[in-house]
Amino acid sequence: NAGVTQTPKFQVLKTGQSMTLQCAQDMNHNSMYWYRQDPGMGLRLIYYSASEGTTDKGEVPNGYNVSRLNKREFSLRLESAAPSQTSVYFCASTRTREGWTNYGYTFGSGTRLTVV
Amino acid sequence: DAKTTQPPSMDCAEGRAANLPCNHSTISGNEYVYWYRQIHSQGPQYIIHGLKNNETNEMASLIITEDRKSSTLILPHATLRDTAVYYCIVRVAGSGYALNFGKGTSLLVTP
Repeated sequence: NAGVTQTPKFQVLKTGQSMTLQCAQDMNHNSMYWYRQDPGMGLRLIYYSASEGTTDKGEVPNGYNVSRLNKREFSLRLESAAPSQTSVYFCASTRTREGWTNYGYTFGSGTRLTVV
Repeated sequence: DAKTTQPPSMDCAEGRAANLPCNHSTISGNEYVYWYRQIHSQGPQYIIHGLKNNETNEMASLIITEDRKSSTLILPHATLRDTAVYYCIVRVAGSGYALNFGKGTSLLVTP
C-alpha cells in the first residue's frame, strides 16, 4: 500500500502565484487533514475533512482553501502565495468510526514549499 | 482537548530504555492519550494510544497513571533510529477532529 501520497514534494513559488497541493490516500479512510509545520515548531492544523463532502477550518486557515474531491483525495490551494506561507505541508488521514476506539493517523511525507 | 506538557529534550544511551513523560492533568474521561513521533523531515508516525489501561505494541509501551493525569511512553531498547521528536496528544476518540500537536520532546539516542 502507498498510504498517503503528496505531490509535489518540493515547490518554489513567487509571491502572488497560486498552486494546489495534492493529497491522496488508498486506505479507504474517512477523514483527511492538512497541517503545516514551520521550522522548530509543532504541526498546526489548516483544514480538515471529517468525511467525504465536508470540510472545516482548523487553527490557521487564512490564505488557504481546500477541496475534498472524493473519498481518496483532499487538495489544498494557495490562491495568492505569501512568504509567510513558506513551510512544510503534511497531509494525513484516519479511519474513524463511532464509539470509544479510534485508529492511528497516517501522514504523508510532506511538501516543502518556499515562497519568494 | 486537554493540554499536555512534555520536557523539550531528553537524552538516552543506545540499548537502554527511553522513558518519555507527559502530563495531562486536565484530561477528560473520554479522552485518549496518543503518542506520535517525527523523525527529521518526515511525516509524523503513529506509535501507540490508550484510554486508561497500559498498552504495548511492537514499538513501545504506554503507561497511564491510575488518575490518568500523566503517562509515560517507554521505548524498551532505544536505537539510534529512535532519535526523533515525540508528541503526546490527548483527544476524544471517534470523531473527525484533528490532533493538536505541541512542540513535543526531542529525544537524542547516543552511541
